[in-house]
Amino acid sequence: KNEVEQSPQNLTAQEGEFITINCSYSVGISALHWLQQHPGGGIVSLFMLSSGKKKHGRLIATINIQEKHSSLHITASHPRDSAVYICAVPRVGIKRNQFYFGTGTSLTVIP
Amino acid sequence: NAGVTQTPKFQVLKTGQSMTLQCAQDMNHNSMYWYRQDPGMGLRLIYYSASEGTTDKGEVPNGYNVSRLNKREFSLRLESAAPSQTSVYFCASSEASTGLAKNIQYFGAGTRLSVL
Repeated sequence: KNEVEQSPQNLTAQEGEFITINCSYSVGISALHWLQQHPGGGIVSLFMLSSGKKKHGRLIATINIQEKHSSLHITASHPRDSAVYICAVPRVGIKRNQFYFGTGTSLTVIP
Repeated sequence: NAGVTQTPKFQVLKTGQSMTLQCAQDMNHNSMYWYRQDPGMGLRLIYYSASEGTTDKGEVPNGYNVSRLNKREFSLRLESAAPSQTSVYFCASSEASTGLAKNIQYFGAGTRLSVL
């Protein structure tokens, strides 16, 4: 049983397309994190959100707590957006510093 | 700022050899983590340290040991490497145990380990 499910697993888009990556989770959460893993392997935190929507440049993250669902949108996609995008939710209780991770969505943006 | 520094970046071992992966952070973070990443499985927690002097097992601790040497450093040791430990290993740190913003994790660049 996976507490965090992402879809799609792989995504190929043409440059300029609007992209949506989905994350569903089955546990109660305080916040949800979106991470980006570059082709070289480095992982960076993009967003942490507990409600509503956050925007950073061309990236928009939304969350619906009632539906236990989050989406990451990329507007006007560019080849440099090619990466693996990972959804993560903290565990609860004494293990709240630990995370459930999705398996990631591999995005390729073609020029 | 260096952030989280992991060494080495690449390593090839023979079955049965031992090695230590080093991790250091310069952000004065309390919590540190070791993960492994395998294709199709996402990040899995090996060990976790909430603060200097404390360590806890994660999902996949078998075959590994850790040391939280001080607040900055958290090392991962493979005493007798096995092919099943071929993976990419990431160290991460976060500021504190309370407060949402302090739960953001900062990752090292990763170590690609092959065990033959």
